[in-house]
Amino acid sequence: ETGVTQSPTHLIKTRGQQVTLRCSSQSGHNTVSWYQQALGQGPQFIFQYYREEENGRGNFPPRFSGLQFPNYSSELNVNALELDDSALYLCASSLGATGDTGELFFGEGSRLTVL
Amino acid sequence: GDSVTQMEGPVTLSEEAFLTINCTYTATGYPSLFWYVQYPGEGLQLLLKATKADDKGSNKGFEATYRKETTSFHLEKGSVQVSDSAVYFCALSDRRGYQKVTFGIGTKLQVIP
Repeated sequence: ETGVTQSPTHLIKTRGQQVTLRCSSQSGHNTVSWYQQALGQGPQFIFQYYREEENGRGNFPPRFSGLQFPNYSSELNVNALELDDSALYLCASSLGATGDTGELFFGEGSRLTVL
Repeated sequence: GDSVTQMEGPVTLSEEAFLTINCTYTATGYPSLFWYVQYPGEGLQLLLKATKADDKGSNKGFEATYRKETTSFHLEKGSVQVSDSAVYFCALSDRRGYQKVTFGIGTKLQVIP
C-alpha cells in the first residue's frame, strides 16, 4: 500500500511569486485535504477535494486554489505569495468526503519559505 | 466556530513516568475526537480516536476518554518511553458535510532516559 507522497519537500520563493505543490493520495483514497502548519502551530484546514470538486474550504483567501485529478492526486496553488505564507503544507487523504470517520492519512509535507 | 485547546509544552518526563496532556474543545453538535502524533521527521499520524460520549480510544498504551460533560479528551499513558518523544495534537471533526479537522496547537513531549 502506497502512502501519501508530497513534492517538493522544500522550496524557497520570493514575495509575489506563485507556487504549486503536489500530492499523491494513498491508494484507494478518493478525498484529499490540504492543511497549512505554521511554525509552532497546529495544522489549519485550507480546503478539501472530493471527486475533482472542492467541497469544503477554510478561512483562506482565493489566491489559495487547488485541483484534484481523476487519479485522485492533487495540487495546491498559491498566487501572489506573502511572507506569512511561509509554512509546512500538509496533504491528507481519506476514504469518503464526510466527517464520519475523520481519519486522515498525512504526507510529510512541503516546507515553503517566502523571502 | 470549532476550537481545540491543549496544554502548551514542552513537557519533559523521565522514562516510565505517567503522562497526561490536557485537551478541551468547543464545537456545535457531536464531534469526533482524535489524538494525532508527529514523530521527528515524519508526517502526522492518527494515534487514537473516539466518536461518541464516554467512548475510550486507545493505542500503543495511550488512552483518552470522550467526556461530553466537561468537553474534554485528555491523553494519558501510564509509563512513557523515550520512543514516545513527539508532538501530540488534539483534534476534532464536526462531521458536517465535509471532513474538516480542527487541530490544537500541539504539545511537544520529550522523554529522557
